[in-house]
Amino acid sequence: EAGVTQFPSHSVIEKGQTVTLRCDPISGHDNLYWYRRVMGKEIKFLLHFVKESKQDESGMPNNRFLAERTGGTYSTLKVQPAELEDSGVYFCASSQRLANYNEQFFGPGTRLTVL
Amino acid sequence: DQQVKQNSPSLSVQEGRISILNCDYTNSMFDYFLWYKKYPAEGPTFLISISSIKDKNEDGRFTVFLNKSAKHLSLHIVPSQPGDSAVYFCAATKGLNSGGSNYKLTFGKGTLLTVNP
Repeated sequence: EAGVTQFPSHSVIEKGQTVTLRCDPISGHDNLYWYRRVMGKEIKFLLHFVKESKQDESGMPNNRFLAERTGGTYSTLKVQPAELEDSGVYFCASSQRLANYNEQFFGPGTRLTVL
Repeated sequence: DQQVKQNSPSLSVQEGRISILNCDYTNSMFDYFLWYKKYPAEGPTFLISISSIKDKNEDGRFTVFLNKSAKHLSLHIVPSQPGDSAVYFCAATKGLNSGGSNYKLTFGKGTLLTVNP
């Protein structure tokens, strides 16, 4: 079974540019999460999808971040325009149903560097 | 305001000895706690978890202890092996029975464990 995949693995952009990160969850996983780790700090929750619906966006930093999950499959996270403080590693995770706690499987992350 | 704290950025132990990683939390609504292990250039991998109704959970060389009154948990690895060298993240969540709705994880900053041969 394929794990969670993320693309690209690295992205280096200049301040003011736009970047789109992609996450492909494990097949059949309805729940998809985005997290971010800024260097040296904790991994922080950004948002949660159930299928194509956003259930919780409480962790999104501001309106420069836009997440979508069309068709309930893969998800994209767009940052527009990027700022220096957006640099970090963006992780995607997926899990099955929420009736009981289910393990979240993480992707390898996308390392974003904003210059 | 950091709700999950790992106060030791790093820990170094000898192979074969016990590794003890500590974690403190402030939110009393958390009812499920997890440890994740992370190697460089990889995503976190689930290691072991514990529900708030228990005080200990064991899986092979890994044991997690929970002290609810102290809001403290620890991960014991015994015996430690060089392959255990990684960053260990403590995480907590609120389950559906505690008013949580999506099991989003709240992480600590991580502890870098180095096991020396």
